[in-house]
Order: sequence, then structure tokens, then C-alpha cells
Amino acid sequence: EVQLVESGGGLVQPGRSLRLSCTASGFTFGDYAMSWVRQAPGKGLEWVGFIRSKAYGGTTEYAASVKGRFTISRDDSKSIAYLQMNSLKTEDTAVYYCTTHLDYTYYFDYWGQGTLVTVSS
Amino acid sequence: SYVLTQPPSVSVAPGKTARITCGGNNIGSKSVHWYQQKPGQAPVLVIYYDSDRPSGIPERFSGSNSGNTATLTISRVEAGDEADYYCQVWDSSSDIGVFGGGTKLTVL
Repeated sequence: EVQLVESGGGLVQPGRSLRLSCTASGFTFGDYAMSWVRQAPGKGLEWVGFIRSKAYGGTTEYAASVKGRFTISRDDSKSIAYLQMNSLKTEDTAVYYCTTHLDYTYYFDYWGQGTLVTVSS
Repeated sequence: SYVLTQPPSVSVAPGKTARITCGGNNIGSKSVHWYQQKPGQAPVLVIYYDSDRPSGIPERFSGSNSGNTATLTISRVEAGDEADYYCQVWDSSSDIGVFGGGTKLTVL
């Protein structure tokens, strides 16, 4: 059974940093791309970014709203994907979900339960 | 960047058919995926590649895509279908994911 478990959320002040983790199990982690999607309170889904599998170069892409501030990485030996968030803004407050998909499919068939990040002074 | 437009809300009586649209410039040339999200839960994929259903999704859920509009159709609507529904595409020109704003389906 595929499982994705996010962790690392919490309350952080504007301008500070936070790193989220997504621990995966139930599938061959290294064969899959990993995406992050967020949802602000009472709002819709927003794609944040993704990292390709090593077979597809392990490269990353980001939404314009987070480019230059957020970095996605992966540790295939531990089956963990990371979302490093720097220079946080109040508008980054959201539930952050990790999802997994094949590099060439671009739809999100497995999701974690999400972790809440609150950016506030 | 590519924009997907959904109606904020759709209402339907039990047993009837609900249609939720997703508009985008020449969206018929893209693959559209649909997600169902109930309160407090993570989204669930209900349709991928315009009209394919993942295992476990009832046949009552179907999809179509042509021109500038993709449509999620839910037949014989049940109370348990009440949820928010989101369409999603991949914008290959920018290599980014795009979600529609979401549609709240209310079962009367």
C-alpha cells in the first residue's frame, strides 16, 4: 500500500525558514517524481513544484509564486522528499501535501494527509 | 501562464446528473485530470487523461474534453458525492502544474 506522510509543519515567523519532509513507503520511491501541492485555508489547490526521478535527471520545477524561495530535494536511500521553504511570507500559510506520480504522467494519484504551515508574527 | 476556470458551485438533486466544467484555452489539446476533495481530507483522483477512472472510482464518474471545455459528469448523484472538485492540467510550455479554482458540488 502506497503511503506518504508529511511532517515538519508548524508556526513560523515571516522571513524565517522551514523544511517539510515527505516519507514514502509501499512503492519504489526512486522510480517516481514527487510533487508538492498546497492549499491555503478555505482556498483551492495550488501546485508548488516537483522533482523528477534520477532516471529523468532529478531536476526540479517550481510555481512562480515560490520560485527562488522554495527548494525541493530527495533522498532516495531514505525514501524521503523535502520542501525547503525560505523567506516565508504570510501568504505561504497553507496545508502542504506531497504527491507522487510517474515522471511522464503529470497527474497525482497518491497524496499524503498534509501538514499545516502557519506563517505569522 | 495557463488558466483553468471552474464554476464556484454546482447544485444537483440526488439521483440526477451533475456536470462540472473546466474551461481553458484549447484545453482539448491537453490531458485533464479531476480530483474530489471532502472537508478535512486530502484530494482523491477520480478521472485522469480526460476520461479514465482509477480503480475503485465508481462508473458513475466520467469525463470528456473538447475545444475549450472539459467536463466531469457524475451520474445518479449520491449524498456522498458532495465535495469540492478540481480540474488539473500540465502546462508543458512552462513545465508546471495548474489547478482550476475548484467547484463545490452540493447535493440538495
